[in-house]
Amino acid sequence: SQQGEEDPQALSIQEGENATMNCSYKTSINNLQWYRQNSGRGLVHLILIRSNEREKHSGRLRVTLDTSKKSSSLLITASRAADTASYFCATDATGANSKLTFGKGITLSVRP
Amino acid sequence: DTGVSQDPRHKITKRGQNVTFRCDPISEHNRLYWYRQTLGQGPEFLTYFQNEAQLEKSRLLSDRFSAERPKGSFSTLEIQRTEQGDSAMYLCASSSDPGQQETQYFGPGTRLLVL
Repeated sequence: SQQGEEDPQALSIQEGENATMNCSYKTSINNLQWYRQNSGRGLVHLILIRSNEREKHSGRLRVTLDTSKKSSSLLITASRAADTASYFCATDATGANSKLTFGKGITLSVRP
Repeated sequence: DTGVSQDPRHKITKRGQNVTFRCDPISEHNRLYWYRQTLGQGPEFLTYFQNEAQLEKSRLLSDRFSAERPKGSFSTLEIQRTEQGDSAMYLCASSSDPGQQETQYFGPGTRLLVL
């Protein structure tokens, strides 16, 4: 079963704009990870945020985590056409032995 | 730095045939995971290994599926008597000490099509 639910399911923006993607989950977690997947390819790890962290930055990425609301957001600033991909949040649930549970993903299209 | 590799990248087979996929993790990683991803969905956990020990199997892993990691390095995933419903992308990932909540690094996947 899939724990994470991303929102929106699809997002289309103009190059240079910011993209915000949200993820909600159901159980307590050790950490939450965001991945990117280009069409038909493997997953590329973007960022990991631990349950005791509230915000994390990596380049143009900003991730927040609200464990009280069981939600996370991924912000991509100054988007580029190359950011076009599917984005997944994945949770490492407490007691789950580090196996990840993924949502269905968000399809991001960045128009040049 | 060599990432996770998988072989083959694509496999087309006829229903009823057996197939085997291989995953080579990042060399110092002792945890290895298998996931399956169908079109329009996120990956779903199948099984994982800590060194050579298979510690957990998902209910998705029917009796037709078997995975091994004989020397704690590479792993194989075999599907016997393939069915059309087995068509999917099979992803392998590896990580180091789970106690440190390490990132799982994914391979490029093996895309299976069962005709």
